[in-house]
Amino acid sequence: EPEVTQTPSHQVTQMGQEVILRCVPISNHLYFYWYRQILGQKVEFLVSFYNNEISEKSEIFDDQFSVERPDGSNFTLKIRSTKLEDSAMYFCASSEYRLAGGSSTDTQYFGPGTRLTVL
Amino acid sequence: QKEVEQDPGPLSVPEGAIVSLNCTYSNSAFQYFMWYRQYSRKGPELLMYTYSSGNKEDGRFTAQVDKSSKYISLFIRDSQPSDSATYLCAMILEGFQKLVFGTGTRLLVSP
Repeated sequence: EPEVTQTPSHQVTQMGQEVILRCVPISNHLYFYWYRQILGQKVEFLVSFYNNEISEKSEIFDDQFSVERPDGSNFTLKIRSTKLEDSAMYFCASSEYRLAGGSSTDTQYFGPGTRLTVL
Repeated sequence: QKEVEQDPGPLSVPEGAIVSLNCTYSNSAFQYFMWYRQYSRKGPELLMYTYSSGNKEDGRFTAQVDKSSKYISLFIRDSQPSDSATYLCAMILEGFQKLVFGTGTRLLVSP
């Protein structure tokens, strides 16, 4: 069964450093997403991406964050200058289409996550 | 008022029990409702999906949506120890892509 993959599984960085989290979405999917989950808290939406541009973003997704699809398979999240509060699990997700009219094939499938620790 | 509310648990049941998990929400415009299962330090795994109101059954799992009460439920029949996980409800507004999650309910099924 196709699945979303993410690398690395765990990233440790110093405050102020740049990190890039990588994701390979399911191959025929067109919509891509990043979410994060701070330890003990709920999963929060960061950004959605379609046709090489951001289609929706949350207030968390400020100027220190950026996303890119550098080639036909990878989808990346860059954090330019990490802060202590960026420590969290970051999940990539993908969907074939955007939800419309109730088809379950349009739901979002999540990767296993990258645990980011900022020291 | 939180957008999506979910009792964090833990909910402890014996193997074979029927489990009922619930979420309430405040925004009546939500149209798409999902249940995800999350094992410790893993990504959410889609279990059930419902559009608008109604019931949906898949094996041991039944999802119910009552839009008039802004209340959704997930029932697990004949629960197994392998069902022990955190169950997240999530929902989306029509025309948007942002999944809004509840905090999750931790379920423990003892043999």
